[in-house]
Amino acid sequence: EVEVEESGGGLVQSGGSLRLSCAASGFTFSNCGMAWVRQTPGKGPEWVSAISGSGASTYYAESVKGRFTISRDNSKNTLYLQMNSLRAEDTAIYHCAKCLTLTGYGDAFDMWGQGTMVTVSS
Amino acid sequence: QSVLTQPPSVSGAPGQRVTISCTGSSSNIGAINDVHWYQQRPGTAPKLLIYDNKYRPSGVPDRFSGSKSGTSASLAITGLQAEDEADYYCQSYDSSLSEGVFGGGTKLTVL
Repeated sequence: EVEVEESGGGLVQSGGSLRLSCAASGFTFSNCGMAWVRQTPGKGPEWVSAISGSGASTYYAESVKGRFTISRDNSKNTLYLQMNSLRAEDTAIYHCAKCLTLTGYGDAFDMWGQGTMVTVSS
Repeated sequence: QSVLTQPPSVSGAPGQRVTISCTGSSSNIGAINDVHWYQQRPGTAPKLLIYDNKYRPSGVPDRFSGSKSGTSASLAITGLQAEDEADYYCQSYDSSLSEGVFGGGTKLTVL
């Protein structure tokens, strides 16, 4: 069964850092692009970042560029999101999502995790 | 304000057909970028309904269909059922912004 499960969320002060992890199972991890999508309760999803299957290509939303770094360890079937210089507006549920293809570019997400809550206090 | 525009709400009676529109621009839907659709029920993660404009993942009923024309896309749901009551989101990629974009979402109410 295809599964992705996030961890690492929590409460952090404005300007602080947090590292999210996403453990994947049930599919060939290195063959799939992966992404992070965040959602504030009651609002629509917001695309944050994506990475190709090899990790060679990465993509970021303008709102997080320069502050967040997406990476992956294909030997551990794990996706990461390093979040620095956090702001109150980064408060959201962060979902890990499996891309349909290898590239991660413009991809649909065919599996989402339940998400991990990140709260940034000002 | 979302890059992709969806109506905030639509409704229909059981058995009826409803459509949800998603309007973008020449830098996203109007470009070569595909449109994807998701269904989200309260308290759960989004579920992929339609990918690459018109294809259904395995397990999605053929009551759901997608189309794309110009700078807009549509999701059609036929034979409405009570279980279809949920939020629906469109997604694409914006070549000018160089990032993925979502619509603001449409709440479907089954009367």
